[in-house]
Amino acid sequence: DTAVSQTPKYLVTQMGNDKSIKCEQNLGHDTMYWYKQDSKKFLKIMFSYNNKELIINETVPNRFSPKSPDKAHLNLHINSLELGDSAVYFCASSPRTSQETQYFGPGTRLLVL
Amino acid sequence: KQEVTQIPAALSVPEGENLVLNCSFTDSAIYNLQWFRQDPGKGLTSLLLIQSSQREQTSGRLNASLDKSSGRSTLYIAASQPGDSATYLCAVGRNRDDKIIFGKGTRLHILP
Repeated sequence: DTAVSQTPKYLVTQMGNDKSIKCEQNLGHDTMYWYKQDSKKFLKIMFSYNNKELIINETVPNRFSPKSPDKAHLNLHINSLELGDSAVYFCASSPRTSQETQYFGPGTRLLVL
Repeated sequence: KQEVTQIPAALSVPEGENLVLNCSFTDSAIYNLQWFRQDPGKGLTSLLLIQSSQREQTSGRLNASLDKSSGRSTLYIAASQPGDSATYLCAVGRNRDDKIIFGKGTRLHILP
């Protein structure tokens, strides 16, 4: 029983394409997050949602658009992919707020060619 | 601006030794500090969470301490095992906007 799951696990695509990454949590948590881990392994928050509402929106290009159809899902759509978007994207969730333990998904490894 | 630094960046120790990983942060206005473990090609697993009002937390062979005023935390691992080999990340929760700021991690290798 995977608590936080992401699909796909690997994504290889051409520059300029549009792609989506899906995240689901079955923990009943209210808050979900997207993080980006770059080639230097530095992990940085991109977005957080609480009960389908956007809470944190870091300085991320507007080519990145999160969507939360319900509180168990937080998807990430990326338009016009660029080489610099290559990274590992992690989804996470926490029970109510970011002041609690966060549970991470396995990551989606995106490679833009 | 909150900056989180972890030293050393990499560490190799023989199995069975006790070890300490260090984390420092520049802004003491935090609500908590978490230690995570990341295995190669995997997501993060939360190890310990220390609230800003606490001084330490323990779980099995792990003990994390927090000195908020000096901006420091340590993760102590007792009787290290090869299975402890991973990257350990420290993250602080920032008061003013609820964001979590991560350090770059310490890559730990336990030699059998």
